[in-house]
Amino acid sequence: DTAVSQTPKYLVTQMGNDKSIKCEQNLGHDTMYWYKQDSKKFLKIMFSYNNKELIINETVPNRFSPKSPDKAHLNLHINSLELGDSAVYFCASSHIHEQYFGPGTRLTVT
Amino acid sequence: DAKTTQPTSMDCAEGRAANLPCNHSTISGNEYVYWYRQIHSQGPQYIIHGLKNNETNEMASLIITEDRKSSTLILPHATLRDTAVYYCIVREGGSNYKLTFGKGTLLTVNP
Repeated sequence: DTAVSQTPKYLVTQMGNDKSIKCEQNLGHDTMYWYKQDSKKFLKIMFSYNNKELIINETVPNRFSPKSPDKAHLNLHINSLELGDSAVYFCASSHIHEQYFGPGTRLTVT
Repeated sequence: DAKTTQPTSMDCAEGRAANLPCNHSTISGNEYVYWYRQIHSQGPQYIIHGLKNNETNEMASLIITEDRKSSTLILPHATLRDTAVYYCIVREGGSNYKLTFGKGTLLTVNP
């Protein structure tokens, strides 16, 4: 059983395009997150939602817009993609102490 | 969140115990110590957490000093599959709190 799943696993696209990454968790958790891991391997929080409400919004360009249709889903839409957006994006969900991460989506912008 | 300091890399022989240190001298009273690891190309994986007391689960043991300014993660019998970057993170408890990842320690388990 996959606890936190992301689609797609790989995403290659050109500059200027708009793309979405989907995340689903079947753990019944109330809180979900998006993290970005850049080429230097630093992992940074981007957003957090609790019960479909945005609670953490780090300094992220407005081109990134998270959407949570329900507690089990947190999607990430990116407009006007730039070369610097190339990274691995991880979705996570949590209950009290433990955060469970998805397998990641490797985004490559050419 | 309090800052943590970890060695950049460590080596361990397969089958031996791996002891990974972490300094968190500015930890506050309501902050927990968490350990995660990231195996190459995978998402981070929760290992263990603690507040004051030592903790043990099926994956590892966590030893926290009495003054709480440092801790050690112990993998009792390291295997090749334990090769990963290990992150020590200090933050308040609760599900709404972000994880602030540092550079972590690259543990390499050698045959």
